[in-house]
Amino acid sequence: GIQVEQSPPDLILQEGANSTLRCNFSDSVNNLQWFHQNPWGQLINLFYIPSGTKQNGRLSATTVATERYSLLYISSSQTTDSGVYFCAVEPTGRGSTLGRLYFGRGTQLTVWP
Amino acid sequence: DAGVTQSPTHLIKTRGQQVTLRCSPKSGHDTVSWYQQALGQGPQFIFQYYEEEERQRGNFPDRFSGHQFPNYSSELNVNALLLGDSALYLCASSLGGFGNIQYFGAGTRLSVL
Repeated sequence: GIQVEQSPPDLILQEGANSTLRCNFSDSVNNLQWFHQNPWGQLINLFYIPSGTKQNGRLSATTVATERYSLLYISSSQTTDSGVYFCAVEPTGRGSTLGRLYFGRGTQLTVWP
Repeated sequence: DAGVTQSPTHLIKTRGQQVTLRCSPKSGHDTVSWYQQALGQGPQFIFQYYEEEERQRGNFPDRFSGHQFPNYSSELNVNALLLGDSALYLCASSLGGFGNIQYFGAGTRLSVL
């Protein structure tokens, strides 16, 4: 199946710093989503971004589908940004994989005050 | 507008028992997917239901089965529980075809003793 690699695995920042999280994937995709998993386990949708660039407040994301990577930018980080960030993709073109999301292992972000 | 709801929140079972988890999709959504998330890992796809039928299935044994009702809600059943089935079980809902955004519930945390 499709491979999804996220980097870095861990990131420790001081409040106010900026960060970039990366997601590489090994095949073309119909869907790419970024999630923030809170301490209680809920996956919060950040972006649905199979291609292009989107911004939502301090967060923005860019997916370059032709080069098979996506970036999540967090600016002026806050302690509430702490948690695990997941990238998930849905591959194109193959019946057995359509509709299913493949997740990376996540980036654990810790923001200190 | 209610999001994806799952019940119960937590569950403790012993080896060999059977368990049923429940999911109500986001209003207007007709597709439900189930994922298993082991500690420290990204979620893994179990199966997806659409129009009351299993449309896609991941690499999980037949002990894992499901059902979708006419109102689009869904159940996940696991028979003959093993210690390794301890995990967070996440339900996601989406609309219709492939490539659409998936929204996740808060999950059911299952502990098998």
